[in-house]
Amino acid sequence: DGGITQSPKYLFRKEGQNVTLSCEQNLNHDAMYWYRQDPGQGLRLIYYSQIVNDFQKGDIAEGYSVSREKKESFPLTVTSAQKNPTAFYLCASSMSDSLYEQYFGPGTRLTVT
Amino acid sequence: DQQVKQNSPSLSVQEGRISILNCDYTNSMFDYFLWYKKYPAEGPTFLISISSIKDKNEDGRFTVFLNKSAKHLSLHIVPSQPGDSAVYFCAAGHTGTASKLTFGTGTRLQVTL
Repeated sequence: DGGITQSPKYLFRKEGQNVTLSCEQNLNHDAMYWYRQDPGQGLRLIYYSQIVNDFQKGDIAEGYSVSREKKESFPLTVTSAQKNPTAFYLCASSMSDSLYEQYFGPGTRLTVT
Repeated sequence: DQQVKQNSPSLSVQEGRISILNCDYTNSMFDYFLWYKKYPAEGPTFLISISSIKDKNEDGRFTVFLNKSAKHLSLHIVPSQPGDSAVYFCAAGHTGTASKLTFGTGTRLQVTL
């Protein structure tokens, strides 16, 4: 079954710790994205990558970092510099010839206390 | 600066009737628009899209209408079914920044029996 996997579904961390969220896809999509959703808000783009070993900042990249060493994987690290890290994080991917139609994973809810 | 706005946070419709979800945008560069459906604690699912060269796109019970002069699009669901109860996000992109989508804040649709 092709799809996007995000793990874990729920993640709890203490303030001051870095945490890495996993995102894997087996759709053979070139582009991958990370979004954040907060209550009452739309999805906001954190980082995106259109090709392996390349990525760009989205609208709210501060306090986050990513890597794209493999086509299938696009992990997101939430660093201690992120002031409000508690949120629902969504990973998505798309084909290079249909960049707009993004397919989403199930999400990871991160709670930092 | 909210470039994509969904001014109705919620909508309640009776089963079998038409649901109309609205979306306004301010950036005239947007040339591609999408609707996503999202259930709680899940990732959004792509529903339907429309390019700016069209004013209507239909897929089964779902139709999207685009009024470029008013910078307005709407999603019509007819007939509405209880399984349509979800949050609907409008998103927009433009060719100059391929890959980047800007999302609205969502409208929660409740289809009642």
